[in-house]
Amino acid sequence: GAGVSQSPSNKVTEKGKDVELRCDPISGHTALYWYRQSLGQGLEFLIYFQGNSAPDKSGLPSDRFSAERTGGSVSTLTIQRTQQEDSAVYLCASSLDGGHEQYFGPGTRLTVT
Amino acid sequence: AQKVTQAQTEISVVEKEDVTLDCVYETRDTTYYLFWYKQPPSGELVFLIRRNSFDEQNEISGRYSWNFQKSTSSFNFTITASQVVDSAVYFCALNNSGGYQKVTFGTGTKLQVIP
Repeated sequence: GAGVSQSPSNKVTEKGKDVELRCDPISGHTALYWYRQSLGQGLEFLIYFQGNSAPDKSGLPSDRFSAERTGGSVSTLTIQRTQQEDSAVYLCASSLDGGHEQYFGPGTRLTVT
Repeated sequence: AQKVTQAQTEISVVEKEDVTLDCVYETRDTTYYLFWYKQPPSGELVFLIRRNSFDEQNEISGRYSWNFQKSTSSFNFTITASQVVDSAVYFCALNNSGGYQKVTFGTGTKLQVIP
């Protein structure tokens, strides 16, 4: 079946602009995760959804970051007033349920100029 | 707080050598899950194994084996008879249980297998 998809694959934006990143999880997966991976670095956990709910948003780096999930499926990560330090690859993953193995999308490479 | 430490930043081995990637974790939870993921040069992370905290049985899958020891909070990964296709960054991860899910990844170990 189809894996996790993310769009766009690449995004170049000017500092101060807003961007929206999209994630389509595997059908039937109730858990969805967002991570940020800077060049050559590990994965920074941003947020977790169980269904449409995100019990803990403390992983989001600042209040410029927000995320939502609708219909227990598609999720969007929005970054307002982008800064150069936001440049990274943003990865989305889904799993059957919390604590299960995650299946990752190809990521969105964000470059803020 | 949870923490995952992969002390080996980069490892180079010659093809057919065995190699062990170390992972040490910290958590206050009694129920948790441990994972290994592989990130090849193409970039997409691939799941390798999942272990829950109550299952300390070691596992072998082909050339891959995992050693989970709660006494030392370690979950090490061994590749036997390494191949060039094993070259990748390997991440160890810790997932707590319960409603407030938090996943902590280690910083990864870059493995280079030289032909």
